[in-house]
Amino acid sequence: DQQVKQNSPSLSVQEGRISILNCDYTNSMFDYFLWYKKYPAEGPTFLISISSIKDKNEDGRFTVFLNKSAKHLSLHIVPSQPGDSAVYFCAATTFGSSNTGKLIFGQGTTLQVKP
Amino acid sequence: NAGVTQTPKFRVLKTGQSMTLLCAQDMNHEYMYWYRQDPGMGLRLIHYSVGEGTTAKGEVPDGYNVSRLKKQNFLLGLESAAPSQTSVYFCASSYWLGAGPYEQYFGPGTRLTVT
Repeated sequence: DQQVKQNSPSLSVQEGRISILNCDYTNSMFDYFLWYKKYPAEGPTFLISISSIKDKNEDGRFTVFLNKSAKHLSLHIVPSQPGDSAVYFCAATTFGSSNTGKLIFGQGTTLQVKP
Repeated sequence: NAGVTQTPKFRVLKTGQSMTLLCAQDMNHEYMYWYRQDPGMGLRLIHYSVGEGTTAKGEVPDGYNVSRLKKQNFLLGLESAAPSQTSVYFCASSYWLGAGPYEQYFGPGTRLTVT
């Protein structure tokens, strides 16, 4: 049972436009969400996160939106740049004193930004 | 700081052979994790450790063993490799922050092929 789903395997956008990557989850216990970016032949790197007490978190060109009632989050990249071309993973966890830090990852979305 | 390093980067095994993957981190992190990444599956947790001398099973632990004898090292062992274990293996580490572990830092990965 896939608890975190990224239903779009790939996305192609033009440089300068907005990229929107989507992620859905099924476990209502998740209260902390992260986005990771991965280039070929490298490990994933942390991009941005959001706690369930917020509905938006912004860091430069990257904004994550959380809709708890829909169990949906999205990553917006504005403006998109060719260097943003990578695989993006959504991940979820339960943040608390007994947390072991285990992350549940989505399948990933490959973003291609065309010059 | 080297961050998280993994040894080896590539390996080809024959079915039934054994090997150990080494993960080392120099950030004094308490938590360490082993993931495997397969096409269309995202990253799946194999085993994890919340501190020196402790280990626990993740989502897909069968066929793997781990040890955390030193805080900075986390070893993943395959006792009798099978073609189904062909994958890219990532190690990650994280530190404790307030109510739980924070984002995970990943190594560059080990590409393993079992023939």
